[in-house]
Amino acid sequence: DGGITQSPKYLFRKEGQNVTLSCEQNLNHDAMYWYRQDPGQGLRLIYYSQIVNDFQKGDIAEGYSVSREKKESFPLTVTSAQKNPTAFYLCASKRGLEGKETQYFGPGTRLLVL
Amino acid sequence: GQQLNQSPQSMFIQEGEDVSMNCTSSSIFNTWLWYKQDPGEGPVLLIALYKAGELTSNGRLTAQFGITRKDSFLNISASIPSDVGIYFCAGQPWTGANNLFFGTGTRLTVIP
Repeated sequence: DGGITQSPKYLFRKEGQNVTLSCEQNLNHDAMYWYRQDPGQGLRLIYYSQIVNDFQKGDIAEGYSVSREKKESFPLTVTSAQKNPTAFYLCASKRGLEGKETQYFGPGTRLLVL
Repeated sequence: GQQLNQSPQSMFIQEGEDVSMNCTSSSIFNTWLWYKQDPGEGPVLLIALYKAGELTSNGRLTAQFGITRKDSFLNISASIPSDVGIYFCAGQPWTGANNLFFGTGTRLTVIP
């Protein structure tokens, strides 16, 4: 069964704590993305990776970090430097067929600050 | 990043009615994507459009890529209660672009 999985579904963070959100895909896509979704707002790009061992900052990268050691995995760490981390986080991967590029999303992780 | 103009923001319709929503941009795109998002879930791809003028259907859903490449619309025919959710558009500015621009969504409520 192909697709994108994210875990956990819900995550609670204490003040000053770093937390890591998991994203795995078995679609054999090269590019992967992390977005943040806040109520009433569109999706905002945090980081993206076009290929293993390479990643780039998106529009709101401050307070976040990522790694891309494997093609299938693109974990996101929300650091203590992110002062307003409560949001719904979405991972996506892109089918790179030239001229028919399409992003597919995972089920999301909701992060709450205690 | 740039957000697309999506309208309407919300719609309340009777079951069985048809629905139309659209997205516009000040710049051209080479791909338009339409997604549906249920509460607490990730967006699910409904229709992908890759060519200006393209008209594509997926069951009761039909979407078109505007000729100017600056707009797209989504129609839902004969709405049913499970159509409830947030629909949003996304545009890719050029082949290989690393970013998508997203609309702010249309919240659809279907009254049985």
